[in-house]
Amino acid sequence: SQKIEQNSEALNIQEGKTATLTCNYTNYSPAYLQWYRQDPGRGPVFLLLIRENEKEKRKERLKVTFDTTLKQSLFHITASQPADSATYLCALDTGGTYKYIFGTGTRLKVLA
Amino acid sequence: ETGVTQTPRHLVMGMTNKKSLKCEQHLGHNAMYWYKQSAKKPLELMFVYSLEERVENNSVPSRFSPECPNSSHLFLHLHTLQPEDSALYLCASSQQGLNTEAFFGQGTRLTVV
Repeated sequence: SQKIEQNSEALNIQEGKTATLTCNYTNYSPAYLQWYRQDPGRGPVFLLLIRENEKEKRKERLKVTFDTTLKQSLFHITASQPADSATYLCALDTGGTYKYIFGTGTRLKVLA
Repeated sequence: ETGVTQTPRHLVMGMTNKKSLKCEQHLGHNAMYWYKQSAKKPLELMFVYSLEERVENNSVPSRFSPECPNSSHLFLHLHTLQPEDSALYLCASSQQGLNTEAFFGQGTRLTVV
C-alpha cells in the first residue's frame, strides 16, 4: 500500500540547534516533494519544493534534501528559534489528479 | 492572508442539520480542493475540482456534497453528519500543472453534536 511517514509525532530541541525532520514514502514516484508549516488552528503554509532531479534546496535557514533511491526527504532548520515551533508536513506531488498527498506531520517544539 | 478565504471559521451543528462551508480564492487558480484534517491523521483529500472537472475520493460519504459554481468559489454541503465527522476542514487552491504549491485557507473547525 502507499504510505508517507514522518519520523516522529513530536520533536523537542534546544534553541540554536539544528532540527532534522524525516519524510519517508513507499510505492510512490513523486515528481516533486513539498514541505509545509502548520500552526495550531490554521491551514498549512508552503515552505519549500524540491524536484526529483534535485538533491538539495535551501531557503534562508531551511534546507531540504530528496533521495529518490532511499525514498526519503530530510528537512533541516538551522539555528532554530522558539518561533519555529509548529507542525511540519511533507507532501508528495504525484503530478496526477490526487495531486498533493500529505504525511501526518511532525510537531516541532524549540525550547528557549 | 493566503488569498484563500474560508467561512465560517467555526461551526457547531446537530446531526440532523444541513449546513454549507464556503471557500473563495483570489489567486486566479484553476484547481480547488477540500481536505479533512482529524487529530493524528494525515490530511485527507476529499474532493478536487480541476479545470472544471470534479474528482472525488471514493471513501468520502455521500453526506458530504461539493459544489464549484466557478473557478473562484467552492462549497461543501453537509447533511446528516455524524460525530466522527468533527474535524478541521481545509480548502486549498493551486494552479494546475507541476511545480506548484497549494495555498490553504484558515479552515473551518466543525463540531457535530
